[in-house]
Amino acid sequence: GAVVSQHPSRVICKSGTSVKIECRSLDFQATTMFWYRQFPKQSLMLMATSNEGSKATYEQGVEKDKFLINHASLTLSTLTVTSAHPEDSSFYICSASIRSSGANVLTFGAGSRLTVL
Amino acid sequence: DAKTTQPTSMDCAEGRAANLPCNHSTISGNEYVYWYRQIHSQGPQYIIHGLKNNETNEMASLIITEDRKSSTLILPHATLRDTAVYYCIVIPPANKFYFGSGTKLNVKP
Repeated sequence: GAVVSQHPSRVICKSGTSVKIECRSLDFQATTMFWYRQFPKQSLMLMATSNEGSKATYEQGVEKDKFLINHASLTLSTLTVTSAHPEDSSFYICSASIRSSGANVLTFGAGSRLTVL
Repeated sequence: DAKTTQPTSMDCAEGRAANLPCNHSTISGNEYVYWYRQIHSQGPQYIIHGLKNNETNEMASLIITEDRKSSTLILPHATLRDTAVYYCIVIPPANKFYFGSGTKLNVKP
């Protein structure tokens, strides 16, 4: 089945640094990927839609200059958290859309836990 | 996208069937019903989806009422590893997935 791989699974960084998270579709091509963020004991929040070869579209309230998304190939999307601060500490999860039984189904990565000190 | 209502939490005995309800009374004709689950500290896992007919796969069964205003996800023989938050999402094809609060299923020995 379709597999989405995320790396790194855990990252700790100092405040003010930038962190890049990679999301790869391993056995299929993904023209569209989605990035979510999840705070403790909360549900997933959609941050942005990553489109291969074009600019990402961001959900309302998500700073595009803070969360840089690049989707340079059909199998790779990256999320860069720029100038990270402790409030950016969260669980970041990517997903890719595949077609199944007439509908789009999202396959998710295992997530990346970011801790900003 | 249709609004969904799920109970906050449910308990189920290990080995018994777990029946998770979802209300989606404003569903439109082209909207699919999807179920995902998230085990603690992992990415969400796709379970099943359907449009009108009941569906079954190796993980679960999805029962959609004839008027499509509600559905039930059935895990036929719940195990401790099925303890998770279960999300019901109703959207048209190609729309974005927004997650609600879901139902926390606690499977107890």
